[in-house]
Amino acid sequence: AQTVTQSQPEMSVQEAETVTLSCTYDTSESDYYLFWYKQPPSRQMILVIRQEAYKQQNATENRFSVNFQKAAKSFSLKISDSQLGDAAMYFCAYRFSGGGADGLTFGKGTHLIIQP
Amino acid sequence: NAGVMQNPRHLVRRRGQEARLRCSPVKGHSHVYWYRQLPEEGLKFMVYLQKENIIDESGMPKERFSAEFPKEGPSILRIQQVVRGDSAAYFCASSLKPGLAVNEQFFGPGTRLTVL
Repeated sequence: AQTVTQSQPEMSVQEAETVTLSCTYDTSESDYYLFWYKQPPSRQMILVIRQEAYKQQNATENRFSVNFQKAAKSFSLKISDSQLGDAAMYFCAYRFSGGGADGLTFGKGTHLIIQP
Repeated sequence: NAGVMQNPRHLVRRRGQEARLRCSPVKGHSHVYWYRQLPEEGLKFMVYLQKENIIDESGMPKERFSAEFPKEGPSILRIQQVVRGDSAAYFCASSLKPGLAVNEQFFGPGTRLTVL
């Protein structure tokens, strides 16, 4: 079974600084997708960024980028120029790309605090 | 465009009662997923349904829980004879077509179930 591990229960960063959230995963599959979701206090799950395992290039979405290390099974999220609105729980998630098994496997989350 | 709708947003039940959670997917989406989030935890996959079919229920407890996604109307997650351990946030997500390269799941706002 796949597992996703987020080893940082809480991270704190000064506004405008850069922060990196860690995620490792375990799978025997070679083709899969990885995601970072944000959950603000409203509890709405918001997709931040996604990565296809077959792509070597790291995904980037504005201030958000990932460092995907397939051999190490590592998928960290970097947030540049942190803003107060980035404060939230961040969940790393995995999904096998094969058919019939579309459920996401989530880590336990990292609570990100932005210090003004 | 309306996103995924879930109702009720908050549901209080006494032990032994039944809980019915509803999910209306994004218009045009025919794939629905249910997840459960216990306090201080990440989301856990429960079940994946297409219209009138259960595709993957590997995360669903064997007893008291059932799910359906009829041809017409919302998807329903039903919990019979609720116990205090069922208290959690239940999230529904929908997607267009799992065969796409990246099958993005759009999440609803969740239903917070409290069992007294």
